[in-house]
Amino acid sequence: ETGVTQTPRHLVMGMTNKKSLKCEQHLGHNAMYWYKQSAKKPLELMFVYSLEERVENNSVPSRFSPECPNSSHLFLHLHTLQPEDSALYLCASSQDRSGTYEQYFGPGTRLTVT
Amino acid sequence: GENVEQHPSTLSVQEGDSAVIKCTYSDSASNYFPWYKQELGKRPQLIIDIRSNVGEKKDQRIAVTLNKTAKHFSLHITETQPEDSAVYFCAAHRWGGALGRLYFGRGTQLTVWP
Repeated sequence: ETGVTQTPRHLVMGMTNKKSLKCEQHLGHNAMYWYKQSAKKPLELMFVYSLEERVENNSVPSRFSPECPNSSHLFLHLHTLQPEDSALYLCASSQDRSGTYEQYFGPGTRLTVT
Repeated sequence: GENVEQHPSTLSVQEGDSAVIKCTYSDSASNYFPWYKQELGKRPQLIIDIRSNVGEKKDQRIAVTLNKTAKHFSLHITETQPEDSAVYFCAAHRWGGALGRLYFGRGTQLTVWP
């Protein structure tokens, strides 16, 4: 599959569970992003990785833990989440500092915390 | 940081009419302004963008205008069709730290009635 892929597409987890979201980009990009999309809110940037180094963490609670093992893969590890964390989690990638700024989004993981 | 305001939050038009969505931004350093379309249950996809050195850009039925002095930009869709129904997000890009960032508006739910 081309572009940006995310797995799983849907996830239901209890507040005591531990799970991970996976993102993979096949575009040769060097920057990757995690966004949270909740109803009636703008897209919230959570984390940014550039060349596998985390360059931004927007005051995200520690129950969300990102990991970027290489420029093609990005994970979001989840533990002891709250019901208000239920949302669509979108991954995106871009080619940093190339003069092009477009971000390509994955299909998202719909997360429900019970 | 940057603050992007988007109006209206909902817009209903009859098929064949035009639709206009407006956004304002706060930081004059922002240099790139994309528009994303997100259909129900799908990922945001770039439909048109404009750089700060251009005042207008058109692609078939869609166009974007930028007024740098007033710090606002608009999306124009002519001859609307039911398949144009979606949520549209504007964004402003600016460099912050080591990486450029996109700041998103809250989105506009466009409904085109046949």
